[in-house]
Amino acid sequence: AQSVTQLGSHVSVSEGALVLLRCNYSSSVPPYLFWYVQYPNQGLQLLLKYTSAATLVKGINGFEAEFKKSETSFHLTKPSAHMSDAAEYFCAVSESGGYNKLIFGAGTRLAVHP
Amino acid sequence: EAQVTQNPRYLITVTGKKLTVTCSQNMNHEYMSWYRQDPGLGLRQIYYSMNVEVTDKGDVPEGYKVSRKEKRNFPLILESPSPNQTSLYFCASSPIAGSGNTIYFGEGSWLTVV
Repeated sequence: AQSVTQLGSHVSVSEGALVLLRCNYSSSVPPYLFWYVQYPNQGLQLLLKYTSAATLVKGINGFEAEFKKSETSFHLTKPSAHMSDAAEYFCAVSESGGYNKLIFGAGTRLAVHP
Repeated sequence: EAQVTQNPRYLITVTGKKLTVTCSQNMNHEYMSWYRQDPGLGLRQIYYSMNVEVTDKGDVPEGYKVSRKEKRNFPLILESPSPNQTSLYFCASSPIAGSGNTIYFGEGSWLTVV
């Protein structure tokens, strides 16, 4: 069965520092991988997705993620955090060839300090 | 503007009082689904629909019903709500039922059952 593990339910960084949010997945077939962001009192917005093209995926707002099959990881990074990045981030996996069902991780809440 | 619209956004109700959360999308998407979000668990799929009159259970369907009489609408029905259904609910849609397609989420409906 598919599963997603996000290491760290809370991550805190200083403004301008590197953001690294970790995501590991398990899947028996090549997966599709997604990162969504949820700002306070809002729905989920797609940041980026991996669909078996380039392993380094660039998304919106300066975020990117690298698919590493050998490590079954899809970590999200941003070189320089901004106060507006404070939100909850969800990693999700969907099996190729299947339906559009997403399996979500538990989420990581990112706090950005001045 | 392309969007998924849910109503109500906030609701407090009592145990056993039937309620319906409506969901409508204006993107002509075939695939729609409902998720619930609980702290530490991420989002879990309740029900999904591949197209009009085609629905199926997700991972946590107990206590919920859905219908898909029109392509744009996918209401979630709680026939006899219980306190363990207190949660944040998201409706979602995507163009077709195929992994890798971007899933679009509504802004969420906060439901409290007392």
